[in-house]
Amino acid sequence: DAKTTQPPSMDCAEGRAANLPCNHSTISGNEYVYWYRQIHSQGPQYIIHGLKNNETNEMASLIITEDRKSITLILPHATLRDTAVYYCIVRVAYSGGSNYKLTFGKGTLLTVNP
Amino acid sequence: NAGVMQNPRHLVRRRGQEARLRCSPMKGHSHVYWYRQLPEEGLKFMVYLQKENIIDESGMPKERFSAEFPKEGPSILRIQQVVRGDSAAYFCASSPPKPGQGGETQYFGPGTRLLVL
Repeated sequence: DAKTTQPPSMDCAEGRAANLPCNHSTISGNEYVYWYRQIHSQGPQYIIHGLKNNETNEMASLIITEDRKSITLILPHATLRDTAVYYCIVRVAYSGGSNYKLTFGKGTLLTVNP
Repeated sequence: NAGVMQNPRHLVRRRGQEARLRCSPMKGHSHVYWYRQLPEEGLKFMVYLQKENIIDESGMPKERFSAEFPKEGPSILRIQQVVRGDSAAYFCASSPPKPGQGGETQYFGPGTRLLVL
């Protein structure tokens, strides 16, 4: 299964940008990267996904290096409610199909401090 | 548009009993996935179903666990003769049927917390 490397924990001051790194040494050209977060023990919440280009939505931005081995999630103005475990996932697609299963690692515990 | 619904949210069973966990996907979604999260661990894939078909059950324990997604009604994850090690949070996710660019996003429900006494 595809595996990503994330720091186990990070701190961020409220109102500042939170930059969460994710590395993958063997990602291939057609493998998408997804970010989810899990607040306390709630169900994982989808944040954003991308392939090659940088992406932005109402929640976050995704910065992908040209070799695609480094993927950074940016929360532009972190709030206390953004405290959660953030998972960077390189999804594993089923051959011949477009659906896939998600392989979760340990993620990064982001703590936003007042 | 209601999200993925799971019930019950909490379930307590004694060893040897059966547990039935239900998942209603988002409206228009026909793909369902089940994941398990043991205490202090990440989520682990269990099974992927489409209506009336099991597509991938590679993450399901070989015994006591089964899953279905009938033509009508919710998806059911069934655990027979539960043991204490089955205590975990069980999450269901759903995605729409039409493949988009690179596949479709999975959206998760709130989970069912199973406690086996």
